Amino acid sequence: GAVVSQHPSWVICKSGTSVKIECRSLDFQATTMFWYRQFPKQSLMLMATSNEGSKATYEQGVEKDKFLINHASLTLSTLTVTSAHPEDSSFYICSARDLVGGQGTYEQYFGPGTRLTVT
Amino acid sequence: QKEVEQNSGPLSVPEGAIASLNCTYSDRGSQSFFWYRQYSGKSPELIMFIYSNGDKEDGRFTAQLNKASQYVSLLIRDSQPSDSATYLCAVRRVFNKFYFGSGTKLNVKP
Repeated sequence: GAVVSQHPSWVICKSGTSVKIECRSLDFQATTMFWYRQFPKQSLMLMATSNEGSKATYEQGVEKDKFLINHASLTLSTLTVTSAHPEDSSFYICSARDLVGGQGTYEQYFGPGTRLTVT
Repeated sequence: QKEVEQNSGPLSVPEGAIASLNCTYSDRGSQSFFWYRQYSGKSPELIMFIYSNGDKEDGRFTAQLNKASQYVSLLIRDSQPSDSATYLCAVRRVFNKFYFGSGTKLNVKP
């Protein structure tokens, strides 16, 4: 299957600072990428849909000014957590979709995730 | 009502048995259905997807879809200890958004 990478895999930052997480599709072009957040023992919660060349679409309850998303190319989307606080500590996972099987079905390929700890 | 509901488990089965995982969804407009496996601290990995009513088999895994009942299941035959993980059900809706259930934790005992 397709490969999606994330960088960094883990990061520790101080409260009030900003952190940037990169998501790359390595062997395919992804016009759409998704950002999820997962708290311990909970499921993935979709935060936003990142579309190449346009503004991201945020899910209800997600602050767009706090979680800045940029999708400048077909293989790269970035999530910046601005003014991070301890409650932002979570596992952030990106995914990219690719058409499979010629059936109009899109499969999502997940990155390995970034564990953010805000102290 | 949650978009996708799963029993959190844990579901415990002996090695070699069949594990049955279930999932229901609320939106009849859901288009495709996916099963992911997630090991602790790792990202989800796709097991299989299904979009037509009926069964779809892939090796030891069989996905079953019943759109009238809004029900999806995953059967794992000949369960192995390495199958122990959390299994996430996901549905694809309009605009290609995926919504995930909270996952069912499976323990396969040797």
